This record gives sequence, structure tokens and C-alpha cells, in this order.
Amino acid sequence: EVQLVQSGAEAKKPGESLKISCKSSGYSFTSYWIGWVRQMPGKGLEWMGIIYPGDSDTRYSPSFQGQVTISVDKSISTAYLQWSSLKASDTAMYYCTRLNYLGSCSSTSCLGFDYWGQGALVTVSS
Amino acid sequence: QSVLTQPPSVSGAPGQRVTISCTGSSSNIGAGYDVHWYQQLPGKAPKLFIYGNSNRPSGVPDRFSGSKSGTSASLAITGLQAEDEADYYCQSYDSSLSASGWVFGGGTKLTVL
Repeated sequence: EVQLVQSGAEAKKPGESLKISCKSSGYSFTSYWIGWVRQMPGKGLEWMGIIYPGDSDTRYSPSFQGQVTISVDKSISTAYLQWSSLKASDTAMYYCTRLNYLGSCSSTSCLGFDYWGQGALVTVSS
Repeated sequence: QSVLTQPPSVSGAPGQRVTISCTGSSSNIGAGYDVHWYQQLPGKAPKLFIYGNSNRPSGVPDRFSGSKSGTSASLAITGLQAEDEADYYCQSYDSSLSASGWVFGGGTKLTVL
């Protein structure tokens, strides 16, 4: 059974650093891209970036480039999302999700997110 | 402002049919990229609900159907049930420089009256 299990809720102050995790199981971790998605309170889903655990190739949404860092540790099948200096506006739920070819095609045109972690709530407040 | 546009809310009585639209542009849906739909129940993580424009993962009732035409897509729900009350998001890929990746609609809250 494919599972993505995220680390717990975090409460931080502005300016602090943070690294949250997403541990995968039930499939070949190095063969699928892992993505991160933000959901601010009462708002919709925003794609932040993806990483390919096989070679750590990373792509960021233009909106999040330079704001966060995505990484992996293949040895423990875990992906990470980190901030060096949090802001109050980073308060949100963060989901990790597996990117996969959905359907019978194998091109970028049919990539989507088939499994999701339970989410990690990050609260940044002074 | 989301790249894909959805109505903020739709509603219907039990047993009725509702549709949720998802409007994009020539750099995403109109460019031939597939549309996928996700259901998010209150307080839960999103769940893949329709993939490849019109396909249902196992476990999704056949009351749900998806379609795509031109620069738009739709999710239709027939025989509405109370358990269908949730937020629904469409998602595609955008090849423009400003988006350059996976994009979501703003989400639609379905209320069963």
C-alpha cells in the first residue's frame, strides 16, 4: 500500500528556520517525483515544487523559487521542505504528494498527483 | 488569482445533478494537457477523484464524470448525496513562463442542500 506520512504540526516565530518531512512507503521511492503543495487557511491548493529522488533533480514553481528548498534522503525514503527564515505569510497546511503518469499515456501531458500525505500545519506567529 | 478558473461554490438538492466548470487557456488545458480532479473533504487531504479528463480511480462512484473540450473541463455529479459535500479542485499543467508547472483551480465548494 502506497503511503506518504508527514511530520507533525509546527509552531514557529518569524525568522526561524524549519524543515518538515514526508516519508514514503509501499513503492519504489526513487522512481517517482514527489511534490509539495501549499494550502493557506481557507484557500486553494498551490503547487510549490517537485523533486525526483533518483537524482535529486528539483523544479520549483516561479512563485516559490528562492523561498523554500526541497530535498530528499534516499536512504530513508523521505522528502523534505525547508525554510531558512519563516514569515507569518508561510502559515499554511503543506501536503506532500506523488506525481505520476495517470492513465495510459507517459508524457508530461498526463502527469498528476495520485497519492497525498496527511498534511503538516505550519503556524508562524510572534 | 488561479491559472484555472472554477466557480467558488455550487449547490444542489439530494438526487439532483450539478456541474463544476474549470476554465483554462491555450497554455494549459487548450494545449492538450490532461485535467485531473481532486476531492477534499473537510479537514482532510485532497484525494484524486478523476484523472485523464474522464477516468475514475477505483472506488469513485460512477455518479461522477469528467469531460474536457477546448480550453475547459467539467466535473458532473448526478444523484447528489450528502457525502458528496466537499471542495473540488481541477488541476492541469501550464507551459507558460509565468506558471511553468502544475496548476490548480481555485476550488469549488459543493453544498448538498
